[in-house]
Amino acid sequence: GENVEQHPSTLSVQEGDSAVIKCTYSDSASNYFPWYKQELGKRPQLIIDIRSNVGEKKDQRIAVTLNKTAKHFSLHITETQPEDSAVYFCAASMGGGGADGLTFGKGTHLIIQP
Amino acid sequence: GAGVSQSPRYKVAKRGQDVALRCDPISGHVSLFWYQQALGQGPEFLTYFQNEAQLDKSGLPSDRFFAERPEGSVSTLKIQRTQQEDSAVYLCASSFSPETQYFGPGTRLLVL
Repeated sequence: GENVEQHPSTLSVQEGDSAVIKCTYSDSASNYFPWYKQELGKRPQLIIDIRSNVGEKKDQRIAVTLNKTAKHFSLHITETQPEDSAVYFCAASMGGGGADGLTFGKGTHLIIQP
Repeated sequence: GAGVSQSPRYKVAKRGQDVALRCDPISGHVSLFWYQQALGQGPEFLTYFQNEAQLDKSGLPSDRFFAERPEGSVSTLKIQRTQQEDSAVYLCASSFSPETQYFGPGTRLLVL
């Protein structure tokens, strides 16, 4: 089955700086890669996703890049703010009509230092 | 509109008890997923429904775990003879489009 590795496990950045979280996946059949933000005790919230026919996607301060050849994808957050502090999870699936559960990484605890 | 809801939000069970966890998906969402999230870990896939059909149950950890969605809407995850290792947050997610999954708040289960 699919295996998703995520690094780093903890990331501390100064407010206003950029943060980058990296993930690798093992199954070349995976074609859908979402990122979720989870605050303590809350539900995971989808913040951005990318499909395998696209190399990069941006939404305001958030961007995701995908390298299918290397089987890795990254989340980039620019101009970080205190409210960005949370645990971020990457995930992968084969999509295909929603007929596939997500395989998650172990998460990155992002800490924004004021 | 209303998001995915789950009940109860917290459940304490004695080892050996049976528990039932409920998920109300977003109206019109045909796909429904259950995940288990241990403390400090990412969610792990348990099972998937499309309407009332359970299409994938490969993630259920043992035959003590059973899920159903008889009318293609509300789903129930049942755990029989609970064990301490079952303590976790159980998350439900629903989807309308092929991939995008929206999560509920989860049920935090503690088995003593």
